[in-house]
Amino acid sequence: ETGVTQSPTHLIKTRGQQVTLRCSSQSGHNTVSWYQQALGQGPQFIFQYYREEENGRGNFPPRFSGLQFPNYSSELNVNALELDDSALYLCASSWGQGEPSGYGYTFGSGTRLTVV
Amino acid sequence: AQSVTQLGSHVSVSEGALVLLRCNYSSSVPPYLFWYVQYPNQGLQLLLKYTSAATLVKGINGFEAEFKKSETSFHLTKPSAHMSDAAEYFCAVSVAGFQKLVFGTGTRLLVSP
Repeated sequence: ETGVTQSPTHLIKTRGQQVTLRCSSQSGHNTVSWYQQALGQGPQFIFQYYREEENGRGNFPPRFSGLQFPNYSSELNVNALELDDSALYLCASSWGQGEPSGYGYTFGSGTRLTVV
Repeated sequence: AQSVTQLGSHVSVSEGALVLLRCNYSSSVPPYLFWYVQYPNQGLQLLLKYTSAATLVKGINGFEAEFKKSETSFHLTKPSAHMSDAAEYFCAVSVAGFQKLVFGTGTRLLVSP
């Protein structure tokens, strides 16, 4: 089975720009969660998608948005980039909505976003 | 709300020595607890998880953790450290019905020859 694939691996953007990060979930998984990991910190929950619908959101402003496609892959979009958005963005896929978060997570290797 | 506290941002051990990484949790309902490892420039790999079955949980690479409700702790141990264990370790908590995993701030394990 394939794991979780994220693209691109690294990205440099200018403040005020918009960015789209992509995640292909593991085969058989229908839930995708996104996390932001700032340097020296633990990951912070951004939101989760289950069967193409947002299924929970953390304390992130509306300029962070997402999509999930019929094949369960997902995108994270960030508008009006700020310097503090510089971080490693991690995607995790899992099966099912009912299990506790993290129970069957498979994490991708992340996208390192630098905002200058 | 759930939270975890990892004591010690850095832990240094010698190769062959006992590894002990500390994690205390806060949760008003029965928690699910996890330990993840992160190598440089990589994502998170699950080491082990506690989901209300046995309180002593064995994971990959020789790691184990014990859930102690009375102490609200879930410390990670390994009897003998290897150089390859050098990495960042994260403790995390979630509860049934909630979508998010709450992580601690991490502990960097340094292993010297």
